[in-house]
Amino acid sequence: DVKVTQSSRYLVKRTGEKVFLECVQDMDHENMFWYRQDPGLGLRLIYFSYDVKMKEKGDIPEGYSVSREKKERFSLILESASTNQTSMYLCASRATGLPNSPLHFGNGTRLTVT
Amino acid sequence: AQRVTQPEKLLSVFKGAPVELKCNYSYSGSPELFWYVQYSRQRLQLLLRHISRESIKGFTADLNKGETSFHLKKPFAQEEDSAMYYCALSGAGGYSTLTFGKGTMLLVSP
Repeated sequence: DVKVTQSSRYLVKRTGEKVFLECVQDMDHENMFWYRQDPGLGLRLIYFSYDVKMKEKGDIPEGYSVSREKKERFSLILESASTNQTSMYLCASRATGLPNSPLHFGNGTRLTVT
Repeated sequence: AQRVTQPEKLLSVFKGAPVELKCNYSYSGSPELFWYVQYSRQRLQLLLRHISRESIKGFTADLNKGETSFHLKKPFAQEEDSAMYYCALSGAGGYSTLTFGKGTMLLVSP
């Protein structure tokens, strides 16, 4: 069974801080994703990666960056946290080359920026 | 561009009543469609996908390309079905991203 692990369940940070959200998957999936989940807005894609050192912008990349140095790890970086980045962040992975392969999600990191 | 519309934010039914969560999509190619579910304090997880044509926990969903819909149905709702449900769309093949709808909260009352 696929396991996607997000390092923190809850984080509280101050405005202007640099924030790192870490995600690790154990199924050798090529694709990894970062979404944010907000009430009434659903899931919105921030960034994704097809392979090591590759990254693509999603629908709302502003204020974020990512890092994928190893296949199993995908990090989301908030360069200078702002209050409007208070949200639930979900990491997911997906196998490529398989029709209708689903996303496998982590438990999420609830980030509060004060 | 791909788009998923879930018109209801909240659907409240009584136990034993039929349930239909609506999902409409916009996509120019051959879509892959999914329903995901998130129970309270649990991770988001796959419920079913259109290619499988399966029934999971009594839920079914049929892809209607003419109406561009993928509604989720269950004939008799149970209290444990209360959760947030998301419809999602992907382009064909494993390299496309998934686009999610805004979600529908299903509340099943005793």
